[in-house]
Parts: sequence; C-alpha cells; structure tokens
Amino acid sequence: SQLAEENSWALSVHEGESVTVNCSYKTSITALQWYRQKSGKGPAQLILIRSNEREKRNGRLRATLDTSSQSSSLSITATRCEDTAVYFCALNTGNYKYVFGAGTRLKVIA
Amino acid sequence: EAAVTQSPRSKVAVTGGKVTLSCHQTNNHDYMYWYRQDTGHGLRLIHYSYVADSTEKGDIPDGYKASRPSQENFSLILELASLSQTAVYFCASSDRGGKDTQYFGPGTRLLVL
Repeated sequence: SQLAEENSWALSVHEGESVTVNCSYKTSITALQWYRQKSGKGPAQLILIRSNEREKRNGRLRATLDTSSQSSSLSITATRCEDTAVYFCALNTGNYKYVFGAGTRLKVIA
Repeated sequence: EAAVTQSPRSKVAVTGGKVTLSCHQTNNHDYMYWYRQDTGHGLRLIHYSYVADSTEKGDIPDGYKASRPSQENFSLILELASLSQTAVYFCASSDRGGKDTQYFGPGTRLLVL
C-alpha cells in the first residue's frame, strides 16, 4: 500500500472558489511537502511543513499537518485557472529520500 | 534561482538499445535524484547520489544504472531499453537530502518502441 496518499484522484472547482486537497500517510515523518505539477513541467514545491508545525501559509495556500491522525491538507483560496495542475504530497522520513503520493488532479473552470 | 536542466527533452528508442539521459544542476546541491513518472501516477525513485563518483539504488533500480561524474552532472543509463521503460523521467536536486526542497528539471519523455 502507498505510504502517502491523496484522498481524491481528481477535483474540479470554478474560478474564485476554494478547494482543499487532503493527504494521508502511514509512516513517521520529519516534514511534509506539497508540490504542484503543471502539464508538461516538473513538480515545484509549494509549501514545506515540518513535523512540529501545525500550519503554514504561502499567499493563497494554506497547509495543515496533524501528526496524530497522520494527515495533511492543502487549501487554495480564490482559485484561478492557472491553479489547474496535479498536486502531490511528499513525505520527508528523516533519511535521504522523499515519498510521493499519486497526486490529485485539480481543474479550475473559468 | 535554482536550476536543473535535462537532455534530451524527448527521445524515441528501440527495444534493446542503450539510452542515456543527462541532468545538470547549477544549485551547488549535494543530492541528486532520478525519478520516473508513469501516466497518471506519482514519482518513483530510481537512483540517487549524495556525492560525486557515487550512486545509490532507489526503490525501482532494476534495468537502470546511474553515473555522477561531478557534483553538477547526473546521468541515467538504460543499457537495454525495454517497452516497460516508456515513461517521463525527472531529475531533481536538493541541498540536504530528505530534509529540504527538491528542485526538479523539466523532464525527459522517453518512448521505447
């Protein structure tokens, strides 16, 4: 089974609405990162939230982390068409590597 | 800004042929990674390196070799390409391994026929 898993394969919202992507994981972590991948591009990090943090913001983005339930969420407010992308959570487990979920495909409709 | 470049950006290879994918970073990062991404899936780690002239196996190393001749360059080698290796390959770098942000290249789309 996947160590990191987003809970939705795909979401669609209308421009201006808010949306939340959720991630659950099954291992201890030192940090969790959210990445966005636009079509034809490599992933780009949005937010890194460490295990001793509960919330992190970056402009219209807000990430939360609940280590007791092993879950994280990424909320996007006032969505724009350019937010259309695949959103991944990635775990930092304390060693060299990152464990990626399969991603949530978000479509923002004008 | 951190920069990771990959070449070629796309390639068509024949089954049984040798394929070399190249990655170059100007971030002065110690860690470099090769991932593959299959359509509709996340990223799976093939090989990584934390120092020049040394490489380590990731989660799916079978059928792949890696080479790190310098801090800036990291190559992925498919000695005998197979149909199952058709995928998009991403290179990434990071400063402190699993503790920091990874910076990704634009990807190489490989089609094995």
